[in-house]
Amino acid sequence: GAVVSQHPSRVICKSGTSVKIECRSLDFQATTMFWYRQFPKQSLMLMATSNEGSKATYEQGVEKDKFLINHASLTLSTLTVTSAHPEDSSFYICSARDGRGRPGERGGHEQFFGPGTRLTVL
Amino acid sequence: GQQVMQIPQYQHVQEGEDFTTYCNSSTTLSNIQWYKQRPGGHPVFLIQLVKSGEVKKQKRLTFQFGEAKKNSSLHITATQTTDVGTYFCAGPKGGSGYALNFGKGTSLLVTP
Repeated sequence: GAVVSQHPSRVICKSGTSVKIECRSLDFQATTMFWYRQFPKQSLMLMATSNEGSKATYEQGVEKDKFLINHASLTLSTLTVTSAHPEDSSFYICSARDGRGRPGERGGHEQFFGPGTRLTVL
Repeated sequence: GQQVMQIPQYQHVQEGEDFTTYCNSSTTLSNIQWYKQRPGGHPVFLIQLVKSGEVKKQKRLTFQFGEAKKNSSLHITATQTTDVGTYFCAGPKGGSGYALNFGKGTSLLVTP
């Protein structure tokens, strides 16, 4: 099946530092990747859609300069939390869409999630 | 904008009992997807429904997509402790991309 890795799995940093999170699709090419944020016992909140070779599309209320997204290749997207503060502490999850095939088959709209990154800002 | 609502928020059942979670969209959906997230884990894709009135089964799990393509349900027959987790439905946000709107999820607890 489609495998998505995410690194690091856990990071603790001081307030004001920047943290980079990598998301990789291991066995398929992902033209589109997504970044979510999840608070404890809550749903996934879409932050942005990352398209290979173009600028990310951010959801309303998500600061572009705060959460920098780069999708330099078909298998890698990165999220950089700049000048992190305690309120940025959260579980960040990426997902990737396998662009092959048609909706309803493999390569439809389903997303494959990475294992997530637990960010704690002190 | 398009919203996906899911009920109940929590469900606690005895092992062997059935479980159902319901998902409703404010707009007609081209498809609906279901994901399961185990405690401490990440969401795992379960299924996608595309056709009006579609019913799909995966062992003890039965997924339905409403005739109007605005609601869906997941039914688990004879729950097991391995069914513990949060079940999310998700529908396309719309527009030209493939981004999803997730429901708030139903957390299922199964006690032996």
